[in-house]
Amino acid sequence: QQQVKQSPQSLIVQKGGISIINCAYENTAFDYFPWYQQFPGKGPALLIAIRPDVSEKKEGRFTISFNKSAKQFSLHIMDSQPGDSATYFCAASKGSNYKLTFGKGTLLTVNP
Amino acid sequence: SAVISQKPSRDICQRGTSLTIQCQVDSQVTMMFWYRQQPGQSLTLIATANQGSEATYESGFVIDKFPISRPNLTFSTLTVSNMSPEDSSIYLCSVGISGTYEQYFGPGTRLTVT
Repeated sequence: QQQVKQSPQSLIVQKGGISIINCAYENTAFDYFPWYQQFPGKGPALLIAIRPDVSEKKEGRFTISFNKSAKQFSLHIMDSQPGDSATYFCAASKGSNYKLTFGKGTLLTVNP
Repeated sequence: SAVISQKPSRDICQRGTSLTIQCQVDSQVTMMFWYRQQPGQSLTLIATANQGSEATYESGFVIDKFPISRPNLTFSTLTVSNMSPEDSSIYLCSVGISGTYEQYFGPGTRLTVT
């Protein structure tokens, strides 16, 4: 049973455009929703995260939007740059046990 | 955050052999985890490495195949035993930062079994 569904599987965006990646979860006990960025040959890097008590969190060009009633959250990358080309994973966990359930990932390509 | 190192960074192993992967953190952490990432796939949790007690394994993973040690709060090892080509993956350790929900990953160990 896939508890976190991520879409799209791949995404191509022009430089300067907005990249949007969506995730939906099933388990209402999840209360922490991070996004990770992974470059080829590297480990995933924590990019930004949100808790359910807020609907939006922004850090630089990266924004998480969270819809608790719909059980969905999304990553928006504003002014996308070729250096943002990577695989992005959404994840979710319950409480402070840290056990992350990952989405299947989105391969983002930003064309110059 | 935390600085996490893994050894080896990559290895090519023969079927039937075992490989031990080391994970070192630059500060004491309560929670350490081991994940597997098969080529082009997402991450799957193998087990939680508990300091001073046996690791807690996720469904589908067993101690005989993936024995884990955690002798202190900064170090853990994962052994991949009796390897087959299906074990070819990236193995990642991660740590949870106390007082937060944040989890950070090491650079990974890329294992190829021939």
